[in-house]
Amino acid sequence: SQQGEEDPQALSIQEGENATMNCSYKTSINNLQWYRQNSGRGLVHLILIRSNEREKHSGRLRVTLDTSKKSSSLLITASRAADTASYFCATDATYIQGAQKLVFGQGTRLTINP
Amino acid sequence: KAGVTQTPRYLIKTRGQQVTLSCSPISGHRSVSWYQQTPGQGLQFLFEYFSETQRNKGNFPGRFSGRQFSNSRSEMNVSTLELGDSALYLCASSLTRGPYEQYFGPGTRLTVT
Repeated sequence: SQQGEEDPQALSIQEGENATMNCSYKTSINNLQWYRQNSGRGLVHLILIRSNEREKHSGRLRVTLDTSKKSSSLLITASRAADTASYFCATDATYIQGAQKLVFGQGTRLTINP
Repeated sequence: KAGVTQTPRYLIKTRGQQVTLSCSPISGHRSVSWYQQTPGQGLQFLFEYFSETQRNKGNFPGRFSGRQFSNSRSEMNVSTLELGDSALYLCASSLTRGPYEQYFGPGTRLTVT
């Protein structure tokens, strides 16, 4: 099963509005990352937040992390048409023999309407 | 720096055939991971290679295999293709191994008929 689950699955807003996406996960993490994927293409890393951080900013992006609730949110302010994409959260999961890997959620499909 | 490149970008194969996909990581990156993306299962981790050794493997059958060369370039191979193998295969590289910031290639779209 997926470690991270995004909510909502799809979001449609007007250009200029803010977009908020949420991610919940199941087990303890060391870090959580957000990625963007434009239709059918590779993923682009947006931001990494460590488990001891509560909030992080990068340009128009703001990410929060609440480890007590095992949840994170991604806020995109002043949205633009170019922000139309799918957004994924990814968490680290301890795998066999202590190795770790990234586990992705199902993603939120964001559409920005002009 | 050039980004991660994947070849080919598109591929159509017949059930039962085998396929090899190639990935060239960003210069200096030693870790290469492979993912399969489908509408139903989402992004699933296949394996990770670091210093020519497989360090991690996802829950995929033995038909899926890979390798990494001394220049960090990586290939993945799928034998005896099944219809369900149709997917976008993504390669990602990073400076070091583990679940850290990864740089993805554009993917190879594999269609099995």
